[in-house]
Amino acid sequence: GAGVSQSPSNKVTEKGKDVELRCDPISGHTALYWYRQRLGQGLEFLIYFQGNSAPDKSGLPSDRFSAERTGESVSTLTIQRTQQEDSAVYLCASSPYIGEQFFGPGTRLTVL
Amino acid sequence: DAKTTQPNSMESNEEEPVHLPCNHSTISGTDYIHWYRQLPSQGPEYVIHGLTSNVNNRMASLAIAEDRKSSTLILHRATLRDAAVYYCILRGSGTYKYIFGTGTRLKVLA
Repeated sequence: GAGVSQSPSNKVTEKGKDVELRCDPISGHTALYWYRQRLGQGLEFLIYFQGNSAPDKSGLPSDRFSAERTGESVSTLTIQRTQQEDSAVYLCASSPYIGEQFFGPGTRLTVL
Repeated sequence: DAKTTQPNSMESNEEEPVHLPCNHSTISGTDYIHWYRQLPSQGPEYVIHGLTSNVNNRMASLAIAEDRKSSTLILHRATLRDAAVYYCILRGSGTYKYIFGTGTRLKVLA
């Protein structure tokens, strides 16, 4: 079956613009995660969803970052007023239970 | 959140076993130990996880110290395709939150 997909694969934007990143999890997976990975760094947890609710938003770096999930399916991560330090690969993962996460290919965001 | 410590990099010869260590001295009794790996230009992929007992699957084995303050991921025969960054992660029971560290970059020599 299809894996986790993310769009766009690459996004170049100007400082100050808003961007929206999309994640389509594997069908039936109740948990969905967003991570950020800066160049040469490990993964930084941002947020996870259990169903459509987000029990833990502690990883969101600032109030410019928000995320939502609808229909226990697609999720969007929105970054408002982008800054150059937001440049990174944004990874989405989903899982059917606590144990194994399936990752998407990521969205590479470049803020000029 | 409990933290893990891993060597920055390791090298192995092809077709030899590889032992990747992870220290987690502040682990709590209900923390699970997960291993993921990230191949170049890809998202991470699950390798194995365990709680107290050693675990085996088709990819690797996980050896957990008796006091649970350390663990070792064992690749029985390294191949060139195993070259990746390997992350050791602790996850608290009942939570979905994973804290990735910087991982160990494994280089496999032909």
